[in-house]
Formats: sequence, C-alpha cells, structure tokens
Amino acid sequence: AQSVTQPDIHITVSEGASLELRCNYSYGATPYLFWYVQSPGQGLQLLLKYFSGDTLVQGIKGFEAEFKRSQSSFNLRKPSVHWSDAAEYFCAVVLTGGGNKLTFGTGTQLKVEL
Amino acid sequence: GAGVSQSPSNKVTEKGKDVELRCDPISGHTALYWYRQSLGQGLEFLIYFQGNSAPDKSGLPSDRFSAERTGGSVSTLTIQRTQQEDSAVYLCASSFGGKETQYFGPGTRLLVL
Repeated sequence: AQSVTQPDIHITVSEGASLELRCNYSYGATPYLFWYVQSPGQGLQLLLKYFSGDTLVQGIKGFEAEFKRSQSSFNLRKPSVHWSDAAEYFCAVVLTGGGNKLTFGTGTQLKVEL
Repeated sequence: GAGVSQSPSNKVTEKGKDVELRCDPISGHTALYWYRQSLGQGLEFLIYFQGNSAPDKSGLPSDRFSAERTGGSVSTLTIQRTQQEDSAVYLCASSFGGKETQYFGPGTRLLVL
C-alpha cells in the first residue's frame, strides 16, 4: 500500500547533539517530499522540500534533508540541536500527477534534554 | 502580509449540532486545502480547492462534511450533525497553485461533547 512511514514515534536527544529523523515512502514514482514542524498549539511550518535536482536540500533553522531514491527515504538532519527544536516533526508527500494533497507520516515527537 | 488565519480558534459544541469553521487564505493564493488532525487518525486530507476548478472532495469522511470557497478566497468547512469522533483540530492551508508549498493556519480545535 502507498504510505509514508516515520518509524520513530518519540526521539530524545541532548542539546547540542546531532539529530536524524527518518522518513520512508512507498510509492511507485518519486513524490514531492516535505518536512513540516509543529510546535505545541501551533500550525504546521515548512522546514524544507524536495521536488527534483540536488538530493541534499537545505531548510530553515539549520535543518537539511537528503533524498535517497534507492532507499525511498528522505531523512531530516540537524548537526546540533537546540532546546527550541523540541516539537513534532512530520514528513509528507505529494504524489506527482495525483493532485496536490499532502499525505503525512504519523510524526516524530522530539524531546530535547538540557 | 498576514498568514493563513482560521476562526474560531476553539469550538465546543454538543453532539448533533452543526458547526462552521472559517479559513482566510494568504492573499493571492489560488489553492486552498482543509486537513484534519486527530489522535486516532493523524493528519489527513479533507478537501482541496484550486481556482475555479471543481474541488477535490476525496478526503471528506462523510456527507455530513461540506466546504465552500466564496469568491476564490475565504472558505468555510461545515460539519452537520456533529459526532464525538469529529473532535479534532481542523487545519487550513493555502498555496499559489498546484504543487506549490502549502502554508498552514493555526487550526481550529473542535470538541464535540
């Protein structure tokens, strides 16, 4: 079945440590790929997106993500996490040729220990 | 230069009542989307408007849900005869067009008692 998978429901990291959040998709064609962040009580904010081209994309707040076609993955990374990064992170896709609706993963809740 | 706005922020209603949720998209955005975020179902697409095209209603969970977009701008999501399982956060987003980045509003938190 077509899906977006975020295997980690919760992740805890220490402030200053590196971070990698995993995202895998299961679609026949490469979709458009997004990472959104949601802070408590807030709407969703776009961190970065991949449509085509360079497979390493830079986003806001020091985040980056790498698209790996062979692994059907689009993992989000940050070299040094700040306490303010604590939030829920969602990977999402838009299917090429399938309208423009976002299909979201289940989210990863990030906790940052001081 | 304001972002997407939604009203009300919170809505508490009784089972069986109708509710209307409003979304004001970013000025100039031709596409508007509604999503629902609930504990059991996560984030799910409801409906998508693009310009004057017929809306994509494929995500509406039942015929109690409907939405309209007047004048290509403001949108209203209506839930008739609300049920407790309708309790969720309803998020609106807008974009310049298809395949463009969607910008989300803060959501309306609906509680059906």
